Amino acid sequence: QQQVKQSPQSLIVQKGGISIINCAYENTAFDYFPWYQQFPGKGPALLIAIRPDVSEKKEGRFTISFNKSAKQFSLHIMDSQPGDSATYFCAASITWGRTNAGKSTFGDGTTLTVKP
Amino acid sequence: EAQVTQNPRYLITVTGKKLTVTCSQNMNHEYMSWYRQDPGLGLRQIYYSMNVEVTDKGDVPEGYKVSRKEKRNFPLILESPSPNQTSLYFCASSFRRETGEQYFGPGTRLTVT
Repeated sequence: QQQVKQSPQSLIVQKGGISIINCAYENTAFDYFPWYQQFPGKGPALLIAIRPDVSEKKEGRFTISFNKSAKQFSLHIMDSQPGDSATYFCAASITWGRTNAGKSTFGDGTTLTVKP
Repeated sequence: EAQVTQNPRYLITVTGKKLTVTCSQNMNHEYMSWYRQDPGLGLRQIYYSMNVEVTDKGDVPEGYKVSRKEKRNFPLILESPSPNQTSLYFCASSFRRETGEQYFGPGTRLTVT
């Protein structure tokens, strides 16, 4: 049972364009939604994260949009750069103080290529 | 330097030969977790630990064991590895109140023949 569905699997964007990656989750127990960026040969690194009581969070060129009623969230990368070329994972976590705290489920990943 | 370290980074072994992958963090994190990454399947959680002597199963715990005797270490044990455990393994850690913001190690690529 896949609890977090991520799309698209791969994405090609021109430099300066907007990259959009979408995720949907099923388990309403999740209460934290991070995005991770992974470069080849490296471990994932936290990029940006959001809690379900907020509809949008922006950090520089990266924005998370969150729709609690639809159980969907997305990552927008504005002014995409070739250095943004990486694999992006959405995740859903259950945090401290809740039943099953510590459980984390990841999407399958999106390989982003930004063409110069 | 704050980091999560894993050893070994690469390992080729044979079916049935017990092995341990070590994970250590120097950030005083209470929470540690193991994941496996397979092409097209993202990262799947194997086991996690909210504190010393406290461990819980993730989504794919079969064939794996863990122990948490010290705060900084969280070894992953494969008592009888099989070829379907060939994968890229990541250890991660965080403060227990911030389990959604995990720091990942560099990964261990395991091949079981």
